[in-house]
Amino acid sequence: GAVVSQHPSRVICKSGTSVKIECRSLDFQATTMFWYRQFPKQSLMLMATSNEGSKATYEQGVEKDKFLINHASLTLSTLTVTSAHPEDSSFYICSARDQWPSYNEQFFGPGTRLTVL
Amino acid sequence: AQSVAQPEDQVKVAEGNPLTVKCTYSVSGNPYLFWYVQYPNRGLQFLLKYITGDNLVKGSYGFEAEFNKSQTSFHLKKPSALVSDSALYFCAVRDYGNNRLAFGKGNQVVVIP
Repeated sequence: GAVVSQHPSRVICKSGTSVKIECRSLDFQATTMFWYRQFPKQSLMLMATSNEGSKATYEQGVEKDKFLINHASLTLSTLTVTSAHPEDSSFYICSARDQWPSYNEQFFGPGTRLTVL
Repeated sequence: AQSVAQPEDQVKVAEGNPLTVKCTYSVSGNPYLFWYVQYPNRGLQFLLKYITGDNLVKGSYGFEAEFNKSQTSFHLKKPSALVSDSALYFCAVRDYGNNRLAFGKGNQVVVIP
């Protein structure tokens, strides 16, 4: 199956700093990428959907200015957590899907564990 | 709106016994249904999907799922569970034309040696 990578896998930062997480589709072109947040032993919460070359669509309650998403190419999307605070600590997972056919499954990255001190 | 229910928090079975993880869904149109598995501190791995056709879908690692339209269910099954099947399992549904997947809360499967 298709492979999606995330970098870094784990990051620890101080409160107030910004952290960038990269999501790459390695062997296919991802016209659509998704960013999720997952709390321990809970389901995935969709944060935003991004299409290559256009602005991301954020879910209700997700702060656009805090979670900056860029989908500059068909193989790369980035999530930047700006001015991170301890409550932003979480497991962030990206996924990618080719647009066609429309029923294609999403392929998930391995996740990034963010810890804000 | 599309939604998924996974009624059980944990499913515990003995190794070698059949494993069933339940999932029911709600969509306005024809569903695209998926099962994913997640191991600790890892992303989700695709197991299988139902789009159309045969109601019994076979997937990775010996798993299968049966689509039941009248009961709006898509239960995941494995005839003989392995200890290595212990993980978190997510059912997901997407409506045709909808870009977003709706996930269930997940089921923790514990296979006892």
